[in-house]
Amino acid sequence: NAGVTQTPKFQVLKTGQSMTLQCAQDMNHNSMYWYRQDPGMGLRLIYYSASEGTTDKGEVPNGYNVSRLNKREFSLRLESAAPSQTSVYFCASTNGPLAKNIQYFGAGTRLSVL
Amino acid sequence: SQQGEEDPQALSIQEGENATMNCSYKTSINNLQWYRQNSGRGLVHLILIRSNEREKHSGRLRVTLDTSKKSSSLLITASRAADTASYFCATDPKETSGTYKYIFGTGTRLKVLA
Repeated sequence: NAGVTQTPKFQVLKTGQSMTLQCAQDMNHNSMYWYRQDPGMGLRLIYYSASEGTTDKGEVPNGYNVSRLNKREFSLRLESAAPSQTSVYFCASTNGPLAKNIQYFGAGTRLSVL
Repeated sequence: SQQGEEDPQALSIQEGENATMNCSYKTSINNLQWYRQNSGRGLVHLILIRSNEREKHSGRLRVTLDTSKKSSSLLITASRAADTASYFCATDPKETSGTYKYIFGTGTRLKVLA
């Protein structure tokens, strides 16, 4: 039972390059989330998808786009990476009360932008 | 802005001692959860307490919630070296009910010395 799978685990980009972070869950959850984690800042919500076909901005959406490809997959795209986007990115999913309100997290993608 | 602020930011104790960490939040909530993050890993759910509950236990974990003070505490009894991790509170604000957009605090780094 894989849970939430993120790829890649590590990535180094140059300023201005683009990339897509992939996330897939196999728990049939409706809601999916992208967070970034920076030292001393906890987790901050970038974008979320309450259900297939919908996406909404979180606290720090600037510089990012998302796609809810289907119920399983939710990708995060950096169109033109900036050093300020150096961070650890986590994907999470939940089914709200149907999942006891628990968010399940992937292992993270560690991104460095030079 | 962050909903949850945790205190202390870091805590170092001897194995066998109890560890207490606190979380304060800003707005009315449906529930509050605690998550653990081992170094280099994703977050893992520990325990959930609903807004109408005052105390909850799970194994060596005890969580309290004071909605009048907008605060919660997590007590880990008889700590073990394996409890070394960062601990985060996460709130489900009433104002965003149904989106399961949990807001995470800044975390407490716990180190248990053998």
